[in-house]
Parts: sequence; structure tokens; C-alpha cells
Amino acid sequence: DGGITQSPKYLFRKEGQNVTLSCEQNLNHDAMYWYRQDPGQGLRLIYYSQIVNDFQKGDIAEGYSVSREKKESFPLTVTSAQKNPTAFYLCASSIFPGQGANYGYTFGSGTRLTVV
Amino acid sequence: AQTVTQSQPEMSVQEAETVTLSCTYDTSESDYYLFWYKQPPSRQMILVIRQEAYKQQNATENRFSVNFQKAAKSFSLKISDSQLGDAAMYFCAYRSFTGANSKLTFGKGITLSVRP
Repeated sequence: DGGITQSPKYLFRKEGQNVTLSCEQNLNHDAMYWYRQDPGQGLRLIYYSQIVNDFQKGDIAEGYSVSREKKESFPLTVTSAQKNPTAFYLCASSIFPGQGANYGYTFGSGTRLTVV
Repeated sequence: AQTVTQSQPEMSVQEAETVTLSCTYDTSESDYYLFWYKQPPSRQMILVIRQEAYKQQNATENRFSVNFQKAAKSFSLKISDSQLGDAAMYFCAYRSFTGANSKLTFGKGITLSVRP
């Protein structure tokens, strides 16, 4: 079955460390997205990518970095510059509107990052 | 930029009763998509229902239906015959029709509790 896999489910980071969250999809989707979820804030867009080797900043990109070397993979690095990284992170993928009927997002199951 | 507003942070409904969750949005576009996503305690995002703006008929999925008022930019979700499993956070979301810069914009969500 096709889907989108995020790992790990839980991640702990020490102050000053960089950590990388994994996101892999086998849906052949062109577009991939990273969202951050905080209580009372909804889902806020960090970065997104519509094609391999290209990505754009979302609304809260500061302190984060991404890469898109393969269509299937879109890892997110939370750098030490991100001052408040404790949150729930969701990865998603989709086709573009007009490419088919299923133009919503498919979400991964999320990664809970905690600073210790 | 598009914005999505869910003004009620919490709602409660008696089991087997009907509840309506409100959502408004702001856009200058004429073609777009609207979605309701459910996030249960597992935190997995689940697509509940979607609506294409060019369709006048309101979408329906089993016990879930929407009231789409394009002129008023309103997109409410009605849950009929509420069940305990409906207890979750619900997010309203907007997606532009144009593929080049099309990403989901979410409201802040509403927490729905179901009383047995």
C-alpha cells in the first residue's frame, strides 16, 4: 500500500543540537510539505517542495532547513537556531490540482520533538 | 494571502445529536478547494470531506455534510448522529486551484467533545 512514513515517532534534542526528521512517500506525489503544530496554533507551514532539488520557505522557516534530492524523500533539519523547537511535526504530500481527483494532502503520522 | 478562521476553539455535542462546526475564509480567488480534516488523539490527520468552489452542490460523506456559502466565504461542517469516535480536533483548510503555488492553509482548529 502506498503511503507516507515519518520517523522517528518521538525525538529528543539537547540544547544546541541539530536533529533531522525523516519523511518518505511512495505515492509518486510531486509536492511535499512540512508543518509544525502547536497547541492553539493550528498547522503552520515550514517548508514545501514541488519538484526535486527545489523548495520554498513557508511561514515559519527560520531555524529549519530541508533538502529534496529524491522525489520520495523530504527530510527536515531542526537546527540549533530554532529557539523553541518543541512541537509536533507533520509531513504531507500531494499531487497538484488538475492532476487528478485526489488533490488533498496525504499526511504522515507525525514526529513529536522535545528539547531536553 | 488566504486566511482561514475557526472562531470557536471548543464545542461539545451529545451522542446521537447533530453539531455544526463553523469556518470562514478570505480569498480573492474564484476557484479553490476547501477541506475538513479530523485529528483524533492519535494525531493522524484524516480527510473528512472536500468541496470544489466551482460546484454549487454541497458535499456529503455519510454523516458528514457541508454548508458552502461562496459569497459569504463560509464553509461549515455538519456532523449528524454524533458518535463517540467523532471526538477529535477538526481543521478547516483552503487550497488554491492554481498548481504552481498551491498549498493548504489551515485554520487553528476546533476541539469537539462528544458526551455519552
